[in-house]
Amino acid sequence: QQPVQSPQAVILREGEDAVINCSSSKALYSVHWYRQKHGEAPVFLMILLKGGEQKGHEKISASFNEKKQQSSLYLTASQLSYSGTYFCGTYGGATNKLIFGTGTLLAVQP
Amino acid sequence: DGGITQSPKYLFRKEGQNVTLSCEQNLNHDAMYWYRQDPGQGLRLIYYSQIVNDFQKGDIAEGYSVSREKKESFPLTVTSAQKNPTAFYLCASRTNIANTGELFFGEGSRLTVL
Repeated sequence: QQPVQSPQAVILREGEDAVINCSSSKALYSVHWYRQKHGEAPVFLMILLKGGEQKGHEKISASFNEKKQQSSLYLTASQLSYSGTYFCGTYGGATNKLIFGTGTLLAVQP
Repeated sequence: DGGITQSPKYLFRKEGQNVTLSCEQNLNHDAMYWYRQDPGQGLRLIYYSQIVNDFQKGDIAEGYSVSREKKESFPLTVTSAQKNPTAFYLCASRTNIANTGELFFGEGSRLTVL
């Protein structure tokens, strides 16, 4: 089952904050977050592991609630470059099958 | 530079024809993936491979076939059995460390069936 993301779309002004949620019906072992610009390939943002370990490359934070099978991505002081579609990806078990969520379209306006 | 190369970038085909999309990586990654993306939608997993000569079906494998004869190559064939093949296809790879490796994506192949 595909993870469900909310909201489906959000429009922000520069400097505003946003939260994107990812919810799964299956037990999660880890959660990935990616951002995709229009017409381009997705780019890795962050991975969250069971036990609270995080690995990321940008100034974006996230949380992972294993019990609730949910993850949230926090975008603070948004910039125009944050615009794009955000996807969470989840591993439901000890396999390499990475399933992506439904996506959240984020538009940051000047 | 290391990375993933997909070709062709754009492809047109007539109904009833098979077409093969190429995916090559020089990252020495064990795991490789094929995803399909339709306009305004997420990425759906077609096939994935964890090791040479082995691959598994994803959520939408019907009408597609793959092979993994070499570690660096994972071609996808879209067969005539695929009822609605027009889409953006993305290949990705990662190190085969369960649940912790990030995915590296190619630039994608856009297939249009005329």
